Amino acid sequence: SQTIHQWPATLVQPVGSPLSLECTVEGTSNPNLYWYRQAAGRGLQLLFYSVGIGQISSEVPQNLSASRPQDRQFILSSKKLLLSDSGFYLCAWSVLGEANSNQPQHFGDGTRLSIL
Amino acid sequence: QQQVKQSPQSLIVQKGGISIINCAYENTAFDYFPWYQQFPGKGPALLIAIRPDVSEKKEGRFTISFNKSAKQFSLHIMDSQPGDSATYFCAASVPRWGYQKVTFGIGTKLQVIP
Repeated sequence: SQTIHQWPATLVQPVGSPLSLECTVEGTSNPNLYWYRQAAGRGLQLLFYSVGIGQISSEVPQNLSASRPQDRQFILSSKKLLLSDSGFYLCAWSVLGEANSNQPQHFGDGTRLSIL
Repeated sequence: QQQVKQSPQSLIVQKGGISIINCAYENTAFDYFPWYQQFPGKGPALLIAIRPDVSEKKEGRFTISFNKSAKQFSLHIMDSQPGDSATYFCAASVPRWGYQKVTFGIGTKLQVIP
């Protein structure tokens, strides 16, 4: 069965410090990978998605970047964190069904990031 | 532009009652409608999903009703239990250039009281 791991679970960082959040998926090959940010009362906002190694697309302009160095590894980074980067970050994976049909996205348990 | 409108934002239901959460969408290209359940400190977990060629899907106590002409869909939780207390998100998805573009509702915080 497929599993998704995110770490760390919680992180407290000072403003201006760098960031690296990691996500790995097991039990599937060539998944689509996603980074979301969840803010209270605002649902889930897609930040980045990747359809393959080294292929990253950004949905919204921001202070963050993403990388996919391996098929099942997705990393969210920042060189200098801002107060507004605080939030709950979720990684997700999915696969395309037959004839490009939609399949569900499956989420990790997230990282709670607090910027001081 | 909020493409998936979810209501209510919070809901209190007595144990054994029916919880109903409604969503409406605008984009007729959506072709997959999942519901997610999220407990505090956890990621959303897929609960049930429906495609627009079906008007209703039932899995245990959870039912999705789908009205394509009205562009609305809803989640019904029958015999609600305190363990169902969580935040529920509706979503709508459209395939786009090899990935799924998913738009989420704002979420409904459900509390089931004994």
